[in-house]
Amino acid sequence: RKEVEQDPGPFNVPEGATVAFNCTYSNSASQSFFWYRQDCRKEPKLLMSVYSSGNEDGRFTAQLNRASQYISLLIRDSKLSDSATYLCVVPQGNAGNMLTFGGGTRLMVKP
Amino acid sequence: DVKVTQSSRYLVKRTGEKVFLECVQDMDHENMFWYRQDPGLGLRLIYFSYDVKMKEKGDIPEGYSVSREKKERFSLILESASTNQTSMYLCASSYYLGTMNTEAFFGQGTRLTVV
Repeated sequence: RKEVEQDPGPFNVPEGATVAFNCTYSNSASQSFFWYRQDCRKEPKLLMSVYSSGNEDGRFTAQLNRASQYISLLIRDSKLSDSATYLCVVPQGNAGNMLTFGGGTRLMVKP
Repeated sequence: DVKVTQSSRYLVKRTGEKVFLECVQDMDHENMFWYRQDPGLGLRLIYFSYDVKMKEKGDIPEGYSVSREKKERFSLILESASTNQTSMYLCASSYYLGTMNTEAFFGQGTRLTVV
């Protein structure tokens, strides 16, 4: 099993739709989790941090399920500008400070 | 504002050359990372450093080495560049708070082409 796994997509959704991505991880000791957004040919940028059960920021909600070892990202009322690749990041390694990325989920929001 | 700066945006090197990619961060972060990103393969960790002169291998260290002589600077070295090392290279840094990481901040990336 990969350490951090995501469905690569693409997820094609109409504007205004609600879409959710999951990310599963193997290290049960991980304490912090992150969702990044990456636009084509640009560096990843932080979207949300998750340190406890979840986090909400406007149209974006991240939830953590420790028992099943996954985190989810929910995007409500999708905008065209939400089209990007969404990357899940989970600390791994002996000290838990090696940041490991999932392969990313591509989202395309259509008019 | 955290700044992570990579020395070059675009680089073209010949097969067999020794290549240095430099990364500097200005926020006194303990952790620094080098990733490469290829289409369909996501970001793969090459090397990671958690302190000056300390390093750990990531998922794909073969063909690479690193150097961290000062806290703010983390260098990636391709000892003898090969065409399969043509890729986008991304440097990142983060705090480590004892039991928890903060988010990683990225440089703008170096697109390396080996011919």
